[in-house]
Amino acid sequence: SQQGEEDPQALSIQEGENATMNCSYKTSINNLQWYRQNSGRGLVHLILIRSNEREKHSGRLRVTLDTSKKSSSLLITASRAADTASYFCATDGEYGNKLVFGAGTILRVKS
Amino acid sequence: DTAVSQTPKYLVTQMGNDKSIKCEQNLGHDTMYWYKQDSKKFLKIMFSYNNKELIINETVPNRFSPKSPDKAHLNLHINSLELGDSAVYFCASSQASGNTIYFGEGSWLTVV
Repeated sequence: SQQGEEDPQALSIQEGENATMNCSYKTSINNLQWYRQNSGRGLVHLILIRSNEREKHSGRLRVTLDTSKKSSSLLITASRAADTASYFCATDGEYGNKLVFGAGTILRVKS
Repeated sequence: DTAVSQTPKYLVTQMGNDKSIKCEQNLGHDTMYWYKQDSKKFLKIMFSYNNKELIINETVPNRFSPKSPDKAHLNLHINSLELGDSAVYFCASSQASGNTIYFGEGSWLTVV
């Protein structure tokens, strides 16, 4: 069964606003990753957070991880039209031998 | 200098045909993957190879046969194509299983 589930499925915001996407998973993990996919392109790695970390920052991205709730959130601050894309969380699963992706959140940033 | 390159990018073919998608990575990674993304954007792992050895086969029909001639290449051959095989197929690689994955740009397969 699918490991990660993103919420919301779709999000539409104005440029300059913050966007928050959530991810829930089912089994224990070693790390959780977030990826971005622009329309018609491959996935691009954004950030990795390990199971012993609670928060991580990279530029305008902030990721939190709550292993007790088996959930993570991705916050994009001061969004730009170029942030329009699908965002996926991925976990390395119970055995750490593969990445399992959620269904993704489609983010649309209107200028 | 594309890190993970796959060809062809677009492929339209008739049911029953056999087709191949090629993939190469120049990152020096040990692990390579094939993922399938369906029309709802759900991304599912199909195969994983580590140093030319198959380590993951996710209940994919045996019409799909991956081949890894060396650790920089992982090709996907599909026999007797069916309508349901229409999807985007992504090749990817990583230094080790569970690590950050680098994706190719995808191969859009349409079976008519």
